[in-house]
Amino acid sequence: QSALTQPPSASGSPGQSVTISCTGTSSDIGGYKFVSWYQQHPGEAPKLVLYEVAQRPSGVPERFSGSRSGNTASLTVSGLQAEDEADYYCSAYAGSSNFAVFGGGTKLTVL
Amino acid sequence: QLQLQESGPGLVKPLETLSLTCTVSGDPLSGSTYYWGWIRQSTGKGLEWIGTFFSSGGAFYYNPSLKSRVTISVDTSKNQFSLTLTSVTAADTAVYYCARHFRITGIFSDRWGQGTLVSVTS
Repeated sequence: QSALTQPPSASGSPGQSVTISCTGTSSDIGGYKFVSWYQQHPGEAPKLVLYEVAQRPSGVPERFSGSRSGNTASLTVSGLQAEDEADYYCSAYAGSSNFAVFGGGTKLTVL
Repeated sequence: QLQLQESGPGLVKPLETLSLTCTVSGDPLSGSTYYWGWIRQSTGKGLEWIGTFFSSGGAFYYNPSLKSRVTISVDTSKNQFSLTLTSVTAADTAVYYCARHFRITGIFSDRWGQGTLVSVTS
């Protein structure tokens, strides 16, 4: 059982927007801005798409955005494209002894 | 171009020790300003941070839930770092990734190896 809670699945049609939530506690998401999101295609390693809640690494499209409210972080993918179909994982800093906890992942399907 | 490559046995018997090595090319570990570490992914538990080190400072950080069984070591002459996990059980069956982190708080990982599957079975 993962420390952070994500919905197992999400879907949207090409061009639409989809938001994936990630719920934690005041000891992780609610306590620090150190939230990240990873995209993982089948058979590949995870790829960082957001860090510090809403920062995009170089090369990640602006279609990927993030936010945080209370103990919940969210990833929004706008203008859905076929290549966005993947598993998405959230991660958060959980204090000085546990530097990262993860969500169980959300499978995003582009209809 | 930075590359990370995991290597090691794909099968380990219960209660024995799992040992993996990550070979880094394109970025020297010695004096690096990045953190380096291990993350695993299992069907049952998803992604799990195992441990991380900062070679310039000689600091090591471990997941509290694994700390009693995990050791990370570094060989800067070979530009490699290794993972040792003792007394393994079926729950340790997972794909093990080595990764580069640019931030320790949150273990933001911008480069990953391809991963290696380790199965714990008798």
